[in-house]
Amino acid sequence: EVQLVESGGGLVQPGGSLRLSCAASGFDSSDYYLDWVRQAPGKGLEWIGRSRNKANSYITQFGASVTGRFTISRDDSKNSLSLQMNSLQTEDTAVYYCTREAAGDGVFDIWGQGTMVTVSS
Amino acid sequence: DIRMTQSPSALSASVGDRVNITCRASQIISSWLAWYQQKPGKAPKLLIYKASNLQRGVPSRFSGSGSGTEFTLSISSLQPDDFATYYCQQYNAYSPPWTFGQGTKVEIK
Repeated sequence: EVQLVESGGGLVQPGGSLRLSCAASGFDSSDYYLDWVRQAPGKGLEWIGRSRNKANSYITQFGASVTGRFTISRDDSKNSLSLQMNSLQTEDTAVYYCTREAAGDGVFDIWGQGTMVTVSS
Repeated sequence: DIRMTQSPSALSASVGDRVNITCRASQIISSWLAWYQQKPGKAPKLLIYKASNLQRGVPSRFSGSGSGTEFTLSISSLQPDDFATYYCQQYNAYSPPWTFGQGTKVEIK
């Protein structure tokens, strides 16, 4: 079965850091563009970042709200993706979803179940 | 960034009703539009891509139309499983940032 499973969410203080992981199964993640999308409580969806596939050197791109604070990395040996979040702010509180782009085109055909990140003192 | 605006924000409908949800883009995006369904506590699910292409496994009562800046998601005969929130998303020129509409909640009348 093709799936993505996130982990690593939790409670962190403002200014702190957290690292989320996304384990892929049922497909070779290195062949696909993978993204992170978040959803604040009771709010809509916000795209935050992308890692292109191995053939495109795993180049990353980010949304304006997280540029300079978040980074994305890959571990081919674990078939996984990570999101390193630094300088966290209360407005980063959200469910974070790992997603797969169907064809490197920005369409998300596979979503993980999400992991909750709460930034609070 | 391209702004996506959905209407209505919420609607009440009965089983068997036809439902239409509109999504407008702040600039021309050709047909680079997707629709997702999200149920409470669950991840979104892809329904339609490239404005009118049905994702594999999605019931044929769902359809999409439009191009340029105005798009519509239609549900021909609403079923109990369809009560959810629907989001449109643009992916113009294959280049992020991707942006979503604010969502349309479909509730039981």
